[in-house]
Amino acid sequence: GAVVSQHPSWVICKSGTSVKIECRSLDFQATTMFWYRQFPKQSLMLMATSNEGSKATYEQGVEKDKFLINHASLTLSTLTVTSAHPEDSSFYICSASGQAAYEQYFGPGTRLTVT
Amino acid sequence: AQSVTQLDSHVSVSEGTPVLLRCNYSSSYSPSLFWYVQHPNKGLQLLLKYTSAATLVKGINGFEAEFKKSETSFHLTKPSAHMSDAAEYFCVVSGRTSGTYKYIFGTGTRLKVLA
Repeated sequence: GAVVSQHPSWVICKSGTSVKIECRSLDFQATTMFWYRQFPKQSLMLMATSNEGSKATYEQGVEKDKFLINHASLTLSTLTVTSAHPEDSSFYICSASGQAAYEQYFGPGTRLTVT
Repeated sequence: AQSVTQLDSHVSVSEGTPVLLRCNYSSSYSPSLFWYVQHPNKGLQLLLKYTSAATLVKGINGFEAEFKKSETSFHLTKPSAHMSDAAEYFCVVSGRTSGTYKYIFGTGTRLKVLA
């Protein structure tokens, strides 16, 4: 149980375009979803937290207009990187928590490369 | 506030020898603690978790960790390292901030297993 999927697993886009990443909880209802960014050889950095039907809460220093998060249902959250630039290239990981709010279940990650 | 410190950024062991990855935490109340493993270009896999039950926690792949309140530690151990254990390991404490549980990640320990 507690499976989280991400799509796509790998994406290349051109500078200036937007890319959407989906995060789904497959077998549970996710009351809260989280988006992380991970640079090579570094730990995960929390970007934002979202609850279904509410606006996302962004961490300090994360541009909300650049990283648009939508949590439209209890099983789906999306992250849209708008007007992507090479510095946005990174590994993006989502997670979700259900009834046990203290534990998160992680997706497999999405590798974004902006050329 | 919660925090977690992984005391070693890199650990090297020979195959077949014991593994010890050290983690200290800070928490104003009884914490939930986790160890995750991340192989290159992969998502996070849960190894084990402590949620105020037994202080010695057994996880997958022969790993275990002991919660020691007096030492504020949650070190990860394995009796005999395998080549497949080479990966990045993250110690995590789950803490509540503004009504939402969030993960606080350690900086990670890279485990190298020598043949």
